[in-house]
Amino acid sequence: AQKVTQAQTEISVVEKEDVTLDCVYETRDTTYYLFWYKQPPSGELVFLIRRNSFDEQNEISGRYSWNFQKSTSSFNFTITASQVVDSAVYFCALSEGGSNYKLTFGKGTLLTVNP
Amino acid sequence: DTGVSQDPRHKITKRGQNVTFRCDPISEHNRLYWYRQTLGQGPEFLTYFQNEAQLEKSRLLSDRFSAERPKGSFSTLEIQRTEQGDSAMYLCASSRSRQNTEAFFGQGTRLTVV
Repeated sequence: AQKVTQAQTEISVVEKEDVTLDCVYETRDTTYYLFWYKQPPSGELVFLIRRNSFDEQNEISGRYSWNFQKSTSSFNFTITASQVVDSAVYFCALSEGGSNYKLTFGKGTLLTVNP
Repeated sequence: DTGVSQDPRHKITKRGQNVTFRCDPISEHNRLYWYRQTLGQGPEFLTYFQNEAQLEKSRLLSDRFSAERPKGSFSTLEIQRTEQGDSAMYLCASSRSRQNTEAFFGQGTRLTVV
């Protein structure tokens, strides 16, 4: 069975600090997708990134970057120069089988960025 | 606004009552999903529609739960004889059916059973 582990329950940083959110996954499939979503206090899950299992290139989007390492089954997310608006719960998720429809989420990491 | 819309946003009900939630997906999306999220947990998959066909149901979806998507557009999730353990956020999402596409989530319906 697939599983996503986000070991960090809560992280608190001061604005402008860099912060890395960890994600470790388990799957038996060779084809799968990994995702990160942000959930602000309003409750809506906001899509951040999708990565397929065959693409291990790291990705950078503005202040966000993702490090995908199949060897350690990890898909970590780094926010550079954090801002108060980054405060939210961040979820890592996995979908198997290439169908890309049923997501298994981790328990999330609550990030608080203090001014 | 062309995002996923859910109604109501909040629902308080007495134990034993029936409740129904509605989800309007993004118009061109033919896949629709329901998830449940309890406090401090990530969302858990409940069920999935491709157009009007319900293609998968989680074991979490007991007999008291039923979901429909009659015309392949909006969907309803009904919970009969609610229990306190049903208290959660119910999230709806939609996506296109082709691979390599992300799901867009609504803001959810928060259910409190008292």
